[in-house]
Amino acid sequence: QKEVEQNSGPLSVPEGAIASLNCTYSDRGSQSFFWYRQYSGKSPELIMFIYSNGDKEDGRFTAQLNKASQYVSLLIRDSQPSDSATYLCAGSILTGGGNKLTFGTGTQLKVEL
Amino acid sequence: DGGITQSPKYLFRKEGQNVTLSCEQNLNHDAMYWYRQDPGQGLRLIYYSQIVNDFQKGDIAEGYSVSREKKESFPLTVTSAQKNPTAFYLCASSRQGANQPQHFGDGTRLSIL
Repeated sequence: QKEVEQNSGPLSVPEGAIASLNCTYSDRGSQSFFWYRQYSGKSPELIMFIYSNGDKEDGRFTAQLNKASQYVSLLIRDSQPSDSATYLCAGSILTGGGNKLTFGTGTQLKVEL
Repeated sequence: DGGITQSPKYLFRKEGQNVTLSCEQNLNHDAMYWYRQDPGQGLRLIYYSQIVNDFQKGDIAEGYSVSREKKESFPLTVTSAQKNPTAFYLCASSRQGANQPQHFGDGTRLSIL
């Protein structure tokens, strides 16, 4: 079983709609969760992170964490064509050697005109 | 400008050759990381380091080596023992702590000649 799982997509949404990206994790020791956006051929860039149950909002983005269900999500409101990218979910675990991130395989989002 | 610099952007390796990928950061981050990304897959952790002169193996360390002689630098050597080195290599850094996000360099694409 993968430690962090995402639906690979593609997830297609019309411009202006809400895109909902989901992620589940298996390790209950995971403490924080990070959402990265990766354009084709580029490196990941951080969008948001969350470590408490509930919602966290930043502009058009809302991250949601439910530790009981081991579920993390990212909502993108008013989706734009420039949001078309692969979205990576990652969970962090503090080990003796330091902080480790485990990444999902990513969900490809396509925002259509 | 603060950031993470990876070089070279593209690298070609001959059979039996060791190659070294450079990663330098001026963010004053204690922790540094190396990941490998293959097409359609998420990022997999190769090595990570929380302090100078100390580093830990990640999930796929075989065929790779690192050093951490300076806080700013964390070079990765891909040895001839790594039989399938073609991939996108990403270096990241962060402050210490489970809630600290990792920030990525622009990556190095390594191919076999």
